Amino acid sequence: LAKTTQPISMDSYEGQEVNITCSHNNIATNDYITWYQQFPSQGPRFIIQGYKTKVTNEVASLFIPADRKSSTLSLPRVSLSDTAVYYCLVGGGGGSYIPTFGRGTSLIVHP
Amino acid sequence: DSGVTQTPKHLITATGQRVTLRCSPRSGDLSVYWYQQSLDQGLQFLIQYYNGEERAKGNILERFSAQQFPDLHSELNLSSLELGDSALYFCASSVDAGRTYNSPLHFGNGTRLTVT
Repeated sequence: LAKTTQPISMDSYEGQEVNITCSHNNIATNDYITWYQQFPSQGPRFIIQGYKTKVTNEVASLFIPADRKSSTLSLPRVSLSDTAVYYCLVGGGGGSYIPTFGRGTSLIVHP
Repeated sequence: DSGVTQTPKHLITATGQRVTLRCSPRSGDLSVYWYQQSLDQGLQFLIQYYNGEERAKGNILERFSAQQFPDLHSELNLSSLELGDSALYFCASSVDAGRTYNSPLHFGNGTRLTVT
């Protein structure tokens, strides 16, 4: 099971771009990288998923370097409503997999 | 809206009691996962079912049990409740069996259990 490491907390201001990096040195060949967002007292919400290079959707971008040992979630022009905990998960690759959530990164966006 | 429905939203009960939490997965999803989230433990995986069969077990207490029914809804049963069982209980669903992870989880909004 690939272990992930991400910052415990980050602060930003409205309108700025926020990049949250997740390290996953022992990612397996077939593993995917998935990011979730969680607001207080709500279930986590899927944001984006990728395997390599770059993935972009209406909410965020995910950058994955060639060695895939890390990934960066990029949130463009954050607003106060982006204040949440962001989780990076790595897994799949065949065999039994249990989506395991770490402590995530608590992002606080200031006015 | 994730499409995953959990009931009830809130539950207050006394120590020693038994409760049942219910989850209806997103239409078309065959896998159901249960998670517990408390302030000091983060999101803890409890158990997973796929198409009615148990597929994976996490740190689920013996006092807790679950099942997935033919219509794919799932129930989590918590018995002999203790104060420490107070937490948010989330259900999530996904399309696949969990053997590959190219299918993300879709979470419900949880059941907040308070044991007094």
